[in-house]
Amino acid sequence: QVQLMQSGAEVKNPGASVKVSCKASGYTFNNYGINWVRQAPGQGLEWMGWISTYSGITDYAQKFQGSVTMTRDTSTRTVYLELRSLRSDDTAIYYCARGISETGAFDCWGQGTLVTVPS
Amino acid sequence: DIQMTQSPSSLSASIGDRVTIACRASQSVSTYLSWYQQKPGKAPKLLIYTASNLQSGVPSRFSGSGSGTYFTLTISSVQPEDFATYYCHQSFGTPYTFGQGTKLEMK
Repeated sequence: QVQLMQSGAEVKNPGASVKVSCKASGYTFNNYGINWVRQAPGQGLEWMGWISTYSGITDYAQKFQGSVTMTRDTSTRTVYLELRSLRSDDTAIYYCARGISETGAFDCWGQGTLVTVPS
Repeated sequence: DIQMTQSPSSLSASIGDRVTIACRASQSVSTYLSWYQQKPGKAPKLLIYTASNLQSGVPSRFSGSGSGTYFTLTISSVQPEDFATYYCHQSFGTPYTFGQGTKLEMK
């Protein structure tokens, strides 16, 4: 079945970087883009950006321009989210989500990766 | 950026009640509007796409309507497993944005 499996929880010091992975299975990898959405503790959902698994083209929310990089490895069907210069307010659960190009909906989500940046 | 505003922010209901959650966009998003359900400690789950289309496997008691700037999600008869937080989401243009969420609680 369609599945997105994310890497495990991370604890990083302020100023450090972290790379979260999202491995896809159960469908043709190149046919769907992957979005990243974060959720701070007790808060709502925030879209960070999107990567085309076909071309590698990215589209980042302006808030995250310069501090995140999304990449993909088609040989391992894996998408990566790198966060740089981490701050305490980057503490959140980070989700990858498959996007349906025709509708824009996110029909399959990873289980989430908690990134903790102590203050 | 397109702002999405949900109302109410929280809602109390009993089993069997009919409930409606509203979502308003700051500009037209056509029908590029989805609804998600999120339970504590879990990832969001897609319920409705393109405003009114039911995602496969989602019970028919869920329905969506609207276009342009005003949308609704209705649960025709609330069941115990429906107590959760609901989010609307526009995919008309980037940056994609979500409503702030509506928490459905048991009365």
